[in-house]
Amino acid sequence: KAGVTQTPRYLIKTRGQQVTLSCSPISGHRSVSWYQQTPGQGLQFLFEYFSETQRNKGNFPGRFSGRQFSNSRSEMNVSTLELGDSALYLCASRGGWRYNEQFFGPGTRLTVL
Amino acid sequence: GQQVMQIPQYQHVQEGEDFTTYCNSSTTLSNIQWYKQRPGGHPVFLIQLVKSGEVKKQKRLTFQFGEAKKNSSLHITATQTTDVGTYFCAPLSSGSARQLTFGSGTQLTVLP
Repeated sequence: KAGVTQTPRYLIKTRGQQVTLSCSPISGHRSVSWYQQTPGQGLQFLFEYFSETQRNKGNFPGRFSGRQFSNSRSEMNVSTLELGDSALYLCASRGGWRYNEQFFGPGTRLTVL
Repeated sequence: GQQVMQIPQYQHVQEGEDFTTYCNSSTTLSNIQWYKQRPGGHPVFLIQLVKSGEVKKQKRLTFQFGEAKKNSSLHITATQTTDVGTYFCAPLSSGSARQLTFGSGTQLTVLP
């Protein structure tokens, strides 16, 4: 099975712009979670989608949003980018609500100038 | 999510030495997962512990979950250069809100 894929792998944006990141989970996986990783704050949970519904949300401002499509692919959007949004954004999928192991994608490295 | 404290933050060892990282919580955890992230890579699932006092082994890695389910540890015997990376513990919240809360991680450097 192919692993979790994320596009793009690298992105450079300027303050005030918005960005959309994409994640394709492992085939058959219906749950997709998003994490932000920075040197200062570590790995922080953003949100989780399961069967197109947001099931859980971390402590991030409303500028961070996401959605999941019927094929389980997920997108994450950040509006009005700030310098502090520069981070590695990781997506992870798992097999279903009863499966706990998370499979991470390679991440999207976002740089905000 | 459930907060955990992970120590040490950094550890340098000579190849062949042992290594241990600890994860502590002030509250009882329903379960805990461990992940490894190589430099420039992404987290990779290692194991999940669920039962009080549970001990699981994977070759040179030994994982423990405390009797009170408030702490966990990962011990690597005879480290190798392939063990280099950051090791994270991550409790998974119970119930319908299945959120992983990652510890700050222990960055392991193995000197040849």
